Amino acid sequence: GAVVSQHPSWVICKSGTSVKIECRSLDFQATTMFWYRQFPKQSLMLMATSNEGSKATYEQGVEKDKFLINHASLTLSTLTVTSAHPEDSSFYICSAQKPGLAQPLHYEQYFGPGTRLTVT
Amino acid sequence: LAKTTQPISMDSYEGQEVNITCSHNNIATNDYITWYQQFPSQGPRFIIQGYKTKVTNEVASLFIPADRKSSTLSLPRVSLSDTAVYYCLVGPGRGKLIFGQGTELSVKP
Repeated sequence: GAVVSQHPSWVICKSGTSVKIECRSLDFQATTMFWYRQFPKQSLMLMATSNEGSKATYEQGVEKDKFLINHASLTLSTLTVTSAHPEDSSFYICSAQKPGLAQPLHYEQYFGPGTRLTVT
Repeated sequence: LAKTTQPISMDSYEGQEVNITCSHNNIATNDYITWYQQFPSQGPRFIIQGYKTKVTNEVASLFIPADRKSSTLSLPRVSLSDTAVYYCLVGPGRGKLIFGQGTELSVKP
């Protein structure tokens, strides 16, 4: 299997506080994980690529000092939303990359269940 | 990254076969085609992935013509629980996936 979990599944925090979201690959090791954000009725928007043991790569327009990503092990990546504001309220989804079996060489991405963040 | 185009929405009835076509004219040699299903407030679920010709698993089939510039996801005998958004993604062997708008499938009784 290829199972990815996220914790918490939902969180409510006050404006100005920080929130940490965990993403774990449960049955495989993932050197690369990805973080997405999704607003209601919209598609997933890639925020950043998380690489184990190195700095994350952020997409254009995503503030790296606001969305801190740490990928300290092959099964865990964390996203910390610092100084959260109501506009950060969204559905945050992570994915983990796993090598596929067929050729040509490719990778398969498996997604977590998502974390609903509400900032009041 | 190859851009994909798929219908914004589709309607179907229970028991029918549903085919969703995705265009990806600038697909690269090493790109794979992957389809995901997403229900509200859930992460996308992997449905099927293919490189060429036809791939079939227990839930769907994926048809890819020789030029690989399009692909068709086929869902046999849909049920109400198949109502969801379906995303077609084309990506390199390793790296990020960029989501398009997806196809909102509505299955009616």
